[in-house]
Amino acid sequence: DTGVSQNPRHKITKRGQNVTFRCDPISEHNRLYWYRQTLGQGPEFLTYFQNEAQLEKSRLLSDRFSAERPKGSFSTLEIQRTEQGDSAMYLCASRPTGGRNYGYTFGSGTRLTVV
Amino acid sequence: TQLLEQSPQFLSIQEGENLTVYCNSSSVFSSLQWYRQEPGEGPVLLVTVVTGGEVKKLKRLTFQFGDARKDSSLHITAAQPGDTGLYLCAGAGRSNYQLIWGAGTKLIIKP
Repeated sequence: DTGVSQNPRHKITKRGQNVTFRCDPISEHNRLYWYRQTLGQGPEFLTYFQNEAQLEKSRLLSDRFSAERPKGSFSTLEIQRTEQGDSAMYLCASRPTGGRNYGYTFGSGTRLTVV
Repeated sequence: TQLLEQSPQFLSIQEGENLTVYCNSSSVFSSLQWYRQEPGEGPVLLVTVVTGGEVKKLKRLTFQFGDARKDSSLHITAAQPGDTGLYLCAGAGRSNYQLIWGAGTKLIIKP
């Protein structure tokens, strides 16, 4: 297992277009997280899956954002009708079942630029 | 609302100097994690501290969890240019689902 994989690494899109990102977590990890990060800031929580169930979604997330993890393995994050304010690094992380003290393994992220 | 404040936000020092980064909160955390992030990459876990007063060492990096589990520090001895990066602290709080993140300390070590 080579860790958490995210695709694409970079995405440039025109305002109003839809985009979809993919995350492949570490196979033994049943917990998967999506974060958004802007330059020089800490990650901002977007949503969380335990297996295929989406258990939590940030109240800051508009209805334009949706995430799925259909078989409890890979996950997708879709942004509809993108806006310039959506430009950011989108990070996926996974961690194993167990206590809250387990660290997260992050992917390298998808850098989204909305023009 | 649980918050984690990191300081300083930015630090630029010469190679060989020592430095300390702080992570403070008014809330108690069950554990606290430190990550290092390089530009264009995701954060990489450095250490998790769990017990109040715990000290962990990772080569030239020393991590300490406060006795009351409300704060933590990262001390780097004889900093090297390879230590350059964004250092993030994150606490595990009431929710079992997510971490509370600090805003990060951008560290630059000049040769």
